[in-house]
Amino acid sequence: AQSVSQHNHHVILSEAASLELGCNYSYGGTVNLFWYVQYPGQHLQLLLKYFSGDPLVKGIKGFEAEFIKSKFSFNLRKPSVQWSDTAEYFCAVNAPQAGTALIFGKGTTLSVSS
Amino acid sequence: DTGVSQDPRHKITKRGQNVTFRCDPISEHNRLYWYRQTLGQGPEFLTYFQNEAQLEKSRLLSDRFSAERPKGSFSTLEIQRTEQGDSAMYLCASSQDRTYGYTFGSGTRLTVV
Repeated sequence: AQSVSQHNHHVILSEAASLELGCNYSYGGTVNLFWYVQYPGQHLQLLLKYFSGDPLVKGIKGFEAEFIKSKFSFNLRKPSVQWSDTAEYFCAVNAPQAGTALIFGKGTTLSVSS
Repeated sequence: DTGVSQDPRHKITKRGQNVTFRCDPISEHNRLYWYRQTLGQGPEFLTYFQNEAQLEKSRLLSDRFSAERPKGSFSTLEIQRTEQGDSAMYLCASSQDRTYGYTFGSGTRLTVV
């Protein structure tokens, strides 16, 4: 079945550590890729998105993601995390040939200690 | 606040009762989506409207579920004869077009007892 996989369920880091969260998808053809963040008690917010062009996408709050088509991956990175980055992170994929909906991964909980 | 509004925020209902949730999207957004999220899972797609037309439905949307978007503005999601398995967070999102990305509401948390 077509799916979105986030390999890390829970990541624990100290402040200033570097972050990389993995996301792989199994859809062929053209895909649109997203990372969403959900801070404690808040609604889902868009961090960044990729539709075409430069495979290295920069988002808000210093986050970036790299689309590697050959690996079906869209990993999220941040060079130096802050305590305020503690949140749940969701990767999502839209494959236009499969419909309009965003298909989400199960999410990765990031805990940053100060 | 010009975001996506959902009402109520919380709903506790007895098994077998009907419930209805409302979503008010961002006014200029013509696309509206309903998702369901359970603990430890990402949001799961339920249904999609473009203006007032319901264009896509997930197989998760059993015949006990119905959604409407009259006049292409707000939307309602009704669950009839609720079951304990319906307990979840029901999320609404809207977008202007495919490239814009969704704006999510805060959700309605349903608890069926």
